[in-house]
Amino acid sequence: GDSVTQMEGPVTLSEEAFLTINCTYTATGYPSLFWYVQYPGEGLQLLLKATKADDKGSNKGFEATYRKETTSFHLEKGSVQVSDSAVYFCALSWNSSASKIIFGSGTRLSIRP
Amino acid sequence: DAGITQSPRHKVTETGTPVTLRCHQTENHRYMYWYRQDPGHGLRLIHYSYGVKDTDKGEVSDGYSVSRSKTEDFLLTLESATSSQTSVYFCAISESRTDAEKLFFGSGTQLSVL
Repeated sequence: GDSVTQMEGPVTLSEEAFLTINCTYTATGYPSLFWYVQYPGEGLQLLLKATKADDKGSNKGFEATYRKETTSFHLEKGSVQVSDSAVYFCALSWNSSASKIIFGSGTRLSIRP
Repeated sequence: DAGITQSPRHKVTETGTPVTLRCHQTENHRYMYWYRQDPGHGLRLIHYSYGVKDTDKGEVSDGYSVSRSKTEDFLLTLESATSSQTSVYFCAISESRTDAEKLFFGSGTQLSVL
């Protein structure tokens, strides 16, 4: 069945470091891909999305490119801040269906000042 | 922030007792969802509702029931709680079925079943 695999955390970086969180997916066809972020004590919120191959989603300095050939959607940021400390979830859905979202297991990111 | 309130925020209960979690929204969205979040599993859908009295099962519905008697309230009930149901429960809402990018989450309920 369809699935999403993320790199295991926790990931600890110093402020201003470059961030990559790997995400790969298994699916037949071309689902929509998402990154959600969960800040401490809060629910998940959408960070960025891409709906077709080669699309690049971006928000708040984060970027991810939908790579069909490698079935990947890696999250990147050039210079992280302490406020980026959170848990990041990669997800896929079909036809952007909210009832058919498959989430990865999440990657906890901690940024040191 | 979308108007979603989950109650209680934390609950500790004993095995075999009934538990009801409440999700209340002020956005008048049609769709409401209950997820559970467990280490190593991300979020998994328990049940969802597509209107008053209209509900459907998700991926991990065994041991859970839901009810929606008003647009704004979606209740999740554990009829007889088990330790395997210790988890963080999230409610979410969306305006339409195809609004995955407009899925808004509550802050969660931490449930511990001893």
